[in-house]
Amino acid sequence: GQNIDQPTEMTATEGAIVQINCTYQTSGFNGLFWYQQHAGEAPTFLSYNVLDGLEEKGRFSSFLSRSKGYSYLLLKELQMKDSASYLCAPLDSNYQLIWGAGTKLIIKP
Amino acid sequence: IAGITQAPTSQILAAGRRMTLRCTQDMRHNAMYWYRQDLGLGLRLIHYSNTAGTTGKGEVPDGYSVSRANTDDFPLTLASAVPSQTSVYFCASSETAEETQYFGPGTRLLVL
Repeated sequence: GQNIDQPTEMTATEGAIVQINCTYQTSGFNGLFWYQQHAGEAPTFLSYNVLDGLEEKGRFSSFLSRSKGYSYLLLKELQMKDSASYLCAPLDSNYQLIWGAGTKLIIKP
Repeated sequence: IAGITQAPTSQILAAGRRMTLRCTQDMRHNAMYWYRQDLGLGLRLIHYSNTAGTTGKGEVPDGYSVSRANTDDFPLTLASAVPSQTSVYFCASSETAEETQYFGPGTRLLVL
């Protein structure tokens, strides 16, 4: 079957760095997306990885290892507005996104 | 402003009633999707359309139907609503099936 594993909840301090891990098992693989979702709002696109390695975009970076079925999202210089859920979603062989329940990130001052 | 709109924003519906959730995008995206999101669960795909005139079933299609008469619109119909269809419904679109999906603001539906 297809499966996504992410921690349910993480807490970090404003100004710090946090890494949100994601492991996945899918039928085929066509890249992996990370989305941010604030409470009561729609998911918004953060990053996309299709090759192994690190993609950097401002304070956010995303890493992919296809052989390990593993990705992480790295958030630097945390701000209070980064309090949200972070959704890892690989794209399977049918080009459908497989969604986990997401990681709720709580930022404390 | 380019984007995806959904209507209504929220709705309370009596069980057994018929309801259509509307979704319109102005980005000329080929692919469109309907998801439901329930507390503690990931987004679940209901139906999708890779191009106008075609539709496909997702993970949880039972009790729902869709149509894609043109590129811009992708309505979702609940033929006879049941309480288990209480959820937040998101419409999304992407240029093609393998591209980034962009989401509408969602419709919050309560079926009593």
